[in-house]
Amino acid sequence: KNQVEQSPQSLIILEGKNCTLQCNYTVSPFSNLRWYKQDTGRGPVSLTIMTFSENTKSNGRYTATLDADTKQSSLHITASQLSDSASYICVVSRGGYQLIWGAGTKLIIKP
Amino acid sequence: DAGVIQSPRHEVTEMGQEVTLRCKPISGHNSLFWYRQTMMRGLELLIYFNNNVPIDDSGMPEDRFSAKMPNASFSTLKIQPSEPRDSAVYFCASTPGGGGGEQYFGPGTRLTVT
Repeated sequence: KNQVEQSPQSLIILEGKNCTLQCNYTVSPFSNLRWYKQDTGRGPVSLTIMTFSENTKSNGRYTATLDADTKQSSLHITASQLSDSASYICVVSRGGYQLIWGAGTKLIIKP
Repeated sequence: DAGVIQSPRHEVTEMGQEVTLRCKPISGHNSLFWYRQTMMRGLELLIYFNNNVPIDDSGMPEDRFSAKMPNASFSTLKIQPSEPRDSAVYFCASTPGGGGGEQYFGPGTRLTVT
């Protein structure tokens, strides 16, 4: 069964600290893996898209990693800011328009 | 450039009423998606259009749901009759090309059916 599992379900950290969110997937075929950020009351916004051959991809303070052998990905946030409070959703593409969405990790940054 | 535009942003209606949600995709984008998001089920794809043609509607829950895309700049999602279990946030997203690219989401419509 095609699945994307994320952990933790929720996370609270202090402003300025780093954190890492995890994503495990069992999706076949695999085309690419995406991380989205969803602020409360808004639609998801793409952070990164990684293909099979990419191990690491950065977008500002966000760094995503992909291990296609173990089917794991992580999203590392450096020096967190209050504006990083959001849900982070891992999505795996099977090719074309077919996306398998994870349930998301709810991140809260406290001052 | 304007992003994906959805209206209304909030809709409260009574069970049995017809509800119509509207979406204007980003100009030049060939593919349009309707999603539903709930706490229990997360984001679910309802229907996918490419060049105004419905390609995959397997996610449409039942016959009460219908979607149209009469032209490249407008789509509607209709629920008739609405039920309380339809309460959710409905998102429209668009992408250029054949649907495999980065999806740009609208702000969503929060639907409450009482």
